[in-house]
Amino acid sequence: DAGVIQSPRHEVTEMGQEVTLRCKPISGHNSLFWYRQTMMRGLELLIYFNNNVPIDDSGMPEDRFSAKMPNASFSTLKIQPSEPRDSAVYFCASSFEIGLGGPAEQFFGPGTRLTVL
Amino acid sequence: EDKVVQSPLSLVVHEGDTVTLNCSYEVTNFRSLLWYKQEKKAPTFLFMLTSSGIEKKSGRLSSILDKKELFSILNITATQTGDSAIYLCAVGYYQLIWGAGTKLIIKP
Repeated sequence: DAGVIQSPRHEVTEMGQEVTLRCKPISGHNSLFWYRQTMMRGLELLIYFNNNVPIDDSGMPEDRFSAKMPNASFSTLKIQPSEPRDSAVYFCASSFEIGLGGPAEQFFGPGTRLTVL
Repeated sequence: EDKVVQSPLSLVVHEGDTVTLNCSYEVTNFRSLLWYKQEKKAPTFLFMLTSSGIEKKSGRLSSILDKKELFSILNITATQTGDSAIYLCAVGYYQLIWGAGTKLIIKP
């Protein structure tokens, strides 16, 4: 099993540019999570999908952030326009949950290190 | 407001020492408590605890949950330099609430 796959692994962009992060969850998993991690704020849940449906997006910081999951094997997190304070490591994680009766063990991808200049 | 508090925030010990990491929580809905280890990469799963008083062990690591007092501990015996990492605790029902982590440094 390849595990959770994220791309790109590193992204450096300039303020104002659009950034798209991609995630392929583990096959068979039905839940997907986008996290952001910084030294100051630790690990923060941004959004949680179950069966491709967004269940909780209360962690999405602003309207500049959006996430989609068009099918069970792909999700994107988009930041438009990006700002320097968005610099962080963004993790995608997936799990298999029965209904909403979790939590189940979450498997994390390697993360995308985003730097916004 | 749901919260998960880990202590200490950082800890420096010598190789061979035993350490105890703490995780206390106040959440509206509880189903499980999970421990993760994070080195320089992504968090990796250690334990999931659902029932009080039942110790889970994996090699030199062990963990136990107290649902009455709302906390869990993670013990590491005979520590090695490879145990140096951030240890994260997460609690939840259908989604996880994460603690800030304990940064553990093992000196040779």
